[in-house]
Amino acid sequence: DIQMTQSPSSVSASIGDRVTITCRASQGVANWLAWYQLKPGKAPKLLIYGASNLHSGVTSRYSGSGSRTDFTLTISSLQPEDVATYYCQQGNSFPPTFGQGTRLEI
Amino acid sequence: EVQLVESGGNLVQPGGSLRLSCAASGLTLSDTCVTWVRQAPGKGLEWVGHIKSKIDDYGTTDYAAPVKGRFSISRDDSRNTVYLQMNSLKSEDTAVYFCASGKKDFVSWGQGTLVAVSS
Repeated sequence: DIQMTQSPSSVSASIGDRVTITCRASQGVANWLAWYQLKPGKAPKLLIYGASNLHSGVTSRYSGSGSRTDFTLTISSLQPEDVATYYCQQGNSFPPTFGQGTRLEI
Repeated sequence: EVQLVESGGNLVQPGGSLRLSCAASGLTLSDTCVTWVRQAPGKGLEWVGHIKSKIDDYGTTDYAAPVKGRFSISRDDSRNTVYLQMNSLKSEDTAVYFCASGKKDFVSWGQGTLVAVSS
């Protein structure tokens, strides 16, 4: 299975800050990389698919970049509603695998 | 608007069985791959298995190694519902179970249902 490693595992930032989360795959995954936002008690939310495509209805403060093994999720200007845990996931090789998550706090 | 709703979670003893349901509105489940993902307490997300769409490999199923042979996924098109049958449950199966649409990435998700395996 492809291992997905996120960093940092947790981050604390201030309102308005630019926040970057990275995700590294143990093997190349082309651009089959997605990012999700999880909040307790709520349905997980797809943010980015295909490494850099913003999912419909997601604020443009989120952006994704990268290819093959190294990927980045960026929040351009942190807002209170961004407090959540973020996961990357590869879909290039079976089985799909997730990173361990990054907890974002304010 | 697509809505997925899981149900059926409960407290069950080790070795027991449970069937989870994933009901959809705004989406025809036979037209999409439906995936089950779980999150154990304090842990990250883990892919459990999926049932492909009818036009993709005739709706076959795949499972993660830890659940293969114990879990099975099926679909009732008349109810627009997908099921996760879980047998021979172990304590390590304790988790919130989510259903989601998609095979390589997961577009719509439910809020999850809690399965607790304990004596």
